[in-house]
Amino acid sequence: DAGVTQSPTHLIKTRGQQVTLRCSPISGHKSVSWYQQVLGQGPQFIFQYYEKEERGRGNFPDRFSARQFPNYSSELNVNALLLGDSALYLCASSSPGQDSNQPQHFGDGTRLSIL
Amino acid sequence: DQQVKQNSPSLSVQEGRISILNCDYTNSMFDYFLWYKKYPAEGPTFLISISSIKDKNEDGRFTVFLNKSAKHLSLHIVPSQPGDSAVYFCAARYGGATNKLIFGTGTLLAVQP
Repeated sequence: DAGVTQSPTHLIKTRGQQVTLRCSPISGHKSVSWYQQVLGQGPQFIFQYYEKEERGRGNFPDRFSARQFPNYSSELNVNALLLGDSALYLCASSSPGQDSNQPQHFGDGTRLSIL
Repeated sequence: DQQVKQNSPSLSVQEGRISILNCDYTNSMFDYFLWYKKYPAEGPTFLISISSIKDKNEDGRFTVFLNKSAKHLSLHIVPSQPGDSAVYFCAARYGGATNKLIFGTGTLLAVQP
């Protein structure tokens, strides 16, 4: 079975631009979460979606937004990019009960570089 | 405020010996704890987890111990293998509707042949 897939793997943007990152969860998983990992730190929670509804938001500015589609795939959008947005963006999915003790499984991430 | 702390940035162990990775947390609302392993250029891979109502969970060479009174958990790897060399992240989940994980900063484990 395919794991969590993310695209693109690498992306280079300039300050002020906008970016869209994509994620396909493991088949059957209805929950998708997004994390940002900067060098030397652990992943930081950005959003969680379950059944196409936002269930949680981390301490990130409104420039960050996300959505989940009927097939449970998800997009993360970042507007007005800043140099500090350079990071590895990770998507994770988990099954299927919202409150069950099921681990989140991560994709390999999108490496975003801002020039 | 770092709610999940891994105070050892790195650890070096001989092949065949035990590796012990430690993690401390501050929030008593955490109800589920996980360990992930991460190789360069890959996403974190789930290793093992433990519910807050248990004090030990074992899966093959990996055992996680939870001491709720001390707000401390540890991952034991026995025996350690060179392929275990990676960054290990401890993560904790808040109880409730949001399946949000709080990660530590990671420990780089090097297993020497």
